[in-house]
Order: sequence, then structure tokens, then C-alpha cells
Amino acid sequence: AQKVTQAQTEISVVEKEDVTLDCVYETRDTTYYLFWYKQPPSGELVFLIRRNSFDEQNEISGRYSWNFQKSTSSFNFTITASQVVDSAVYFCALSEASGGTSYGKLTFGQGTILTVHP
Amino acid sequence: EPEVTQTPSHQVTQMGQEVILRCVPISNHLYFYWYRQILGQKVEFLVSFYNNEISEKSEIFDDQFSVERPDGSNFTLKIRSTKLEDSAMYFCASRGGGLTDTQYFGPGTRLTVL
Repeated sequence: AQKVTQAQTEISVVEKEDVTLDCVYETRDTTYYLFWYKQPPSGELVFLIRRNSFDEQNEISGRYSWNFQKSTSSFNFTITASQVVDSAVYFCALSEASGGTSYGKLTFGQGTILTVHP
Repeated sequence: EPEVTQTPSHQVTQMGQEVILRCVPISNHLYFYWYRQILGQKVEFLVSFYNNEISEKSEIFDDQFSVERPDGSNFTLKIRSTKLEDSAMYFCASRGGGLTDTQYFGPGTRLTVL
């Protein structure tokens, strides 16, 4: 069974600080996909990134970067020079691809509440 | 940019009443999903729908729940007899045809059962 753990319940930083959100996952599949979603106070789920299990290259998009390490089953998310607008709940999620018959359900972590103070 | 839409944004109902939550997935997407998020908790998978039938469902998705795609555009979630514990945000999502495709979520419907 798939499982995602986000051990950090809440993080509070001051603007311009860097912050890393941790995500650890469990799966028996060799092919799977990892995601990060942002949920701002307005409540919608905003897609940030998708990674497949065969691509361990780290990715950078502006102030956001992701570190995928299969050896530790982790997919961590770093925001550089945080801003107040980054305040949100961030969810890590996993989707398995079981022998080509997966219908792609997402298993979410508990989420990390990030508060960026001015 | 295409997006998933959901109506209503907020639904208030009395316990025991039936509710239907509506979603319009992104056109040309083939896989459809409902998720639930109880206030302050994580997002939980309810059901996936593909090729006009349920492809997978969670233990939450019991006989009180049903889904339907009545036409080429709408995707609905029905709760037959609502309970207090059904109060939550319900998200619809859709995905294109390949496993590499991303699920895109609608803005959610907040269901309040009194």
C-alpha cells in the first residue's frame, strides 16, 4: 500500500528565509509518480510539480526546487527567499502505476502549513 | 487555459438529505476523480471513474455514494442520505489519457451537513 508522510505539521519563517518541506513516501511499485500541490487560504489545490520514479534529477523553477532521492524515499521541496504569498498548506502526493492498470489515484500526505511572516 | 469547474461552491444541507455535487472536467480528459478533505485534514481519495464506470474506490465510498457521468461534460457525486461526518470539502479532478499526465483539481465544493 502506498503512504506519504509529511512529518512537519507547521513551519513558520520570516520573509526571505529559505524553507524546506519534507516528504517521505512508501510504495512497493517500481513505477510511480510524486507530486506537490499548494493549497492557499482560498482552498483550491494548485499543482506545482510531478516527478516520475525514473527521473531523479533535481528540478528548479524560480524560487522553488525539488530534491528527489530514491535511496531515502524522499521528495523534498525548498522555497528560496520565501515570500508572504507562499503562505499555504503544501501537500506531497504519490500515485502508483501498477503494471499499467493504475487509474492514478493520489495518496496525499497530511500537509505542512507554511506561514511566512513579513 | 482549460480548468476543472465545480458547482456549487458551498452547499448546506440537513442530515438525511440527498446532495449532488457537480463537476465539469477538462474536455478531452479521460479519467475522473473525487476526493474529500475534512477541515484541517489531508485530502482523501474517494473514487476514480474511467470509461463510464468506477475503476477504483476507497473504503470511504460506501453505498451512500454514487458517481455518474450523465453526458459528455458533467461528472457528479451523489450522497444519498447525508450524515454530519460528510461535512467536508469535495474536490473533483481529471486527468488526460496517459499515466504521465497530471491530475488537475477543481476549486472544490464545501459541503456542510447540519
